[in-house]
Amino acid sequence: DAGVTQSPTHLIKTRGQQVTLRCSPISGHKSVSWYQQVLGQGPQFIFQYYEKEERGRGNFPDRFSARQFPNYSSELNVNALLLGDSALYLCASSSLVSGANVLTFGAGSRLTVL
Amino acid sequence: AQSVTQPDIHITVSEGASLELRCNYSYGATPYLFWYVQSPGQGLQLLLKYFSGDTLVQGIKGFEAEFKRSQSSFNLRKPSVHWSDAAEYFCAVGALIKAAGNKLTFGGGTRVLVKP
Repeated sequence: DAGVTQSPTHLIKTRGQQVTLRCSPISGHKSVSWYQQVLGQGPQFIFQYYEKEERGRGNFPDRFSARQFPNYSSELNVNALLLGDSALYLCASSSLVSGANVLTFGAGSRLTVL
Repeated sequence: AQSVTQPDIHITVSEGASLELRCNYSYGATPYLFWYVQSPGQGLQLLLKYFSGDTLVQGIKGFEAEFKRSQSSFNLRKPSVHWSDAAEYFCAVGALIKAAGNKLTFGGGTRVLVKP
């Protein structure tokens, strides 16, 4: 079975540009989460989507947005890129089981902002 | 709000020696606790989890962790380290988002170096 797949794996943008990152969850998983991992730090929660609705949002500016499609794939958009947005963006999917579940992470999209 | 502290940024251990990684958490309710491992340039792989029940949990690759509520700790251990265990290890606590599952708060990570 395919795991969580993310694209692109690497990309370079300049300040002020916009970026879209994509995520395909494990088949059967309806929940998708996004995390930002700055070099040398632990991942930080950005968004969680379940059944195409936003169910949780972390402490990130409105430049960050996301959506989930009917096939449960997801996109993360970041507008007006700043140097500080350079990071590994991780997508995770999960299958809700009795309110406690396990996140399975993709390999990430590494964004460099110049 | 929940938080996780991993006091050790780097640990160097000889191959074959034992390993213990410390994790302390802050959370107002019964926590869901996780350990993930990240190899260079890779995503996160789940080593083990604690939801309830037996406080000593076994994971993959020979790892185990013990939940101690009185100490708010969830330390990870391995009796004998292999060179392939060199990686970064993250402890995380899960907060339940209503009808949507867990939001994870991660610690800063501990980088493990294995000497031959």
